[in-house]
Amino acid sequence: QQPVQSPQAVILREGEDAVINCSSSKALYSVHWYRQKHGEAPVFLMILLKGGEQKGHEKISASFNEKKQQSSLYLTASQLSYSGTYFCGTGGSSNTGKLIFGQGTTLQVKP
Amino acid sequence: DVKVTQSSRYLVKRTGEKVFLECVQDMDHENMFWYRQDPGLGLRLIYFSYDVKMKEKGDIPEGYSVSREKKERFSLILESASTNQTSMYLCASTDLASSPFFGPGTRLTVL
Repeated sequence: QQPVQSPQAVILREGEDAVINCSSSKALYSVHWYRQKHGEAPVFLMILLKGGEQKGHEKISASFNEKKQQSSLYLTASQLSYSGTYFCGTGGSSNTGKLIFGQGTTLQVKP
Repeated sequence: DVKVTQSSRYLVKRTGEKVFLECVQDMDHENMFWYRQDPGLGLRLIYFSYDVKMKEKGDIPEGYSVSREKKERFSLILESASTNQTSMYLCASTDLASSPFFGPGTRLTVL
């Protein structure tokens, strides 16, 4: 079962913040966040492996709540370059590298 | 740098044709994956392979088969292409120490 991402789409002005959520009906062992720009391959942003772990990458950070089976991606002081579609991929217990992806959240940052 | 290459960026085929999509990675990764990407549905796993000649079905394997004769190459085969297989196909690979790395994708149109 695919994880569910919310919101489906968001439009921001430069400098504004955004949160993208990823919820799973199954137990989570890892959450991988990717960003894809139009016409390009998804690019890895970060991975979260433990419950309650929070990781950061420039002004983009993420949290992972194992108990609630969800992860959130935080984009702070958004820049035009943040525009794209964000996907969360959830990993199972078998550690095959196989990920099940959410349907994606489209983020548009306007000047 | 990890490199995953796909044989074509764009492909147009006719209904009923046999279609081969090729993917090559140059980082000696054990695991390789084929996803298809459709608007609103995100990335859905078709097949994956965790070793040469080993394969497992993903979530949507119907109408597809795969071949992995060499470690670096993973092929996706559409036995008899249909219009509902028009999509973006993404190949990925991983060594399990990192998140999957994606190729640029092949946009397939079946007429």
